[in-house]
Amino acid sequence: DADVTQTPRNRITKTGKRIMLECSQTKGHDRMYWYRQDPGLGLRLIYYSFDVKDINKGEISDGYSVSRQAQAKFSLSLESAIPNQTALYFCATSDPTAIQETQYFGPGTRLLVL
Amino acid sequence: LAKTTQPISMDSYEGQEVNITCSHNNIATNDYITWYQQFPSQGPRFIIQGYKTKVTNEVASLFIPADRKSSTLSLPRVSLSDTAVYYCLVGGSNFGNEKLTFGTGTRLTIIP
Repeated sequence: DADVTQTPRNRITKTGKRIMLECSQTKGHDRMYWYRQDPGLGLRLIYYSFDVKDINKGEISDGYSVSRQAQAKFSLSLESAIPNQTALYFCATSDPTAIQETQYFGPGTRLLVL
Repeated sequence: LAKTTQPISMDSYEGQEVNITCSHNNIATNDYITWYQQFPSQGPRFIIQGYKTKVTNEVASLFIPADRKSSTLSLPRVSLSDTAVYYCLVGGSNFGNEKLTFGTGTRLTIIP
């Protein structure tokens, strides 16, 4: 969905480096999410945020941190990257006021940790 | 959190109708059933959502029996472009309150 953008789209980094993945949305949604997807597996929730003052851990938050800088921006940081964090990362948004809340996903960031 | 079970993979020929069933035995009263489609290297895309009986849109139909312990996504007359992974999710209208997981989904392959 073009309304949800992620930068960078691809990133190669080395073990121990700190990196940040950024997500921006123009949908005006309060809720934002970060997922990771490993090859052949489904998506797993890392963190989610209901609004700029709300941050919640998901299923696999260890090794990650997030920052909700504004309604439109939600960043994911890997403080000290490790190889098993190599994955495809997706940001998503949703509107809790919608009758049927669904999630809108960005194009993904492919991360390789060497 | 209601757990879902889907077939890992399915194959079908072009032009056929494809039905993918999802089991969710411990679905809660306020849970909706939502299906997403994911193409390689893209984020999942919403297909259809329902609460009970039948829902139809321009892409698919969703059949939900009275006990709501399962649901079936129906794709009419599939084409090669329907090759994707399909995820069944069960959750309340307040998805953000749950540790939502997409599971492994069903990998649908359409054969020419």
